[in-house]
Parts: sequence; C-alpha cells; structure tokens
Amino acid sequence: KNEVEQSPQNLTAQEGEFITINCSYSVGISALHWLQQHPGGGIVSLFMLSSGKKKHGRLIATINIQEKHSSLHITASHPRDSAVYICAVLETSGSRLTFGEGTQLTVNP
Amino acid sequence: GAVVSQHPSRVICKSGTSVKIECRSLDFQATTMFWYRQFPKQSLMLMATSNEGSKATYEQGVEKDKFLINHASLTLSTLTVTSAHPEDSSFYICSARDRREFYGYTFGSGTRLTVV
Repeated sequence: KNEVEQSPQNLTAQEGEFITINCSYSVGISALHWLQQHPGGGIVSLFMLSSGKKKHGRLIATINIQEKHSSLHITASHPRDSAVYICAVLETSGSRLTFGEGTQLTVNP
Repeated sequence: GAVVSQHPSRVICKSGTSVKIECRSLDFQATTMFWYRQFPKQSLMLMATSNEGSKATYEQGVEKDKFLINHASLTLSTLTVTSAHPEDSSFYICSARDRREFYGYTFGSGTRLTVV
C-alpha cells in the first residue's frame, strides 16, 4: 500500500463541471502539497497546506489532519485545466516529499 | 513568486557522452535542491538531495558516479549524467526549497533527455 493514494486515477469532465480529486495518506505530515503537471512536464505548485482550507481562483484545497485526507476542487472546469494533479506530503520525520501516483484530468469543451 | 529555472528543456545526446542539467533559483536562496526522475505515466522518483556546499545524498539504487550532482552555491545546482546510455533517457526535474520557507518547494520545468 502506497503511503499516499489518490483517487481517481483518471477523470474526464465536461467544461463547467465541478471536479474533486482526493488524496489519502498514512503517515504523519508537516505539510501537504497539490501540484499540477502539464503535458510538457513542468510542475507548478498549486497549494501547500498544513490545516484547513485554501482558495486560489477556481481552485480550492482542503485538508483534514485527523482523517489524513485532502481534496482538491476545481469549480467551473475549463479545458486548460487538463493536466496531471499530484498530491505530495512532507513527512514529519524527514525533508523529502512523498508523491501520489497522480490524477490525469481531461476537461472536454 | 519563487522561480526555478531549469535548462535545457530538451536534449538529445549520443551514447557515451555526458550531459549537464542546470537548475537555478532566480529570486530566492535554495538551501536544498532535490533531483527527480520521471518515467512515462509514473510519478516522480527522488534521485538525490543536495545541500549547498556539501555532498549530495543519493537514494538507494542511484549510481552516484553516473549522476553527478553539484550544489556549489545557494542559487545553482547541476546534475551531470555521465557516459549516458539509452536507458538513461527520461524526464529529469529539480525542486528547490527556499531557506525562508521550510515547507515550500518550487519545481523546475524539467529536462527531457533522449540518449541515442
């Protein structure tokens, strides 16, 4: 069992739909990151969370430390949101990130 | 925001040659630089961690003589793939941690290496 698990692995949506990607982890963490990787490969850090909720534009990230679970929501999805979304946790015991397998999101016009 | 510039974005080299990949933090000092490798449809695999002015720490199974990492300054780290082979073809990406923000990581744009 991976320390960080994401669901779903693949997600196809129609433009305008509300999207949720989930991340569960099994270790103690200092912080959780949501990353976006576009087809070209470059990675953008969307959020870093240690508690509660953060919002940036159409993106919302939440974390429940007790349940060891985080969600990334995209409101009013757009084709340009199509990318791989990766959850990564920074364990309290170390300095490295542990990555989930990623969720491939495709938003169709 | 913090930016890490990674070059080159793509490189094709012949077997047996060496390739240097550079990651530079543009507006912050990176105390720690992480180097990852990513195979198609897979997540990032940590290769090594480097701290400025000290030797890199390599993950198990990563050949330190093959993947040379230098972190000579707080703004520059390099990964050199020596005596490249076709199986070294992959996507390599760096990530830097800002000394002012312990939990924050900034990623480079990645380098697609093809060894022919």
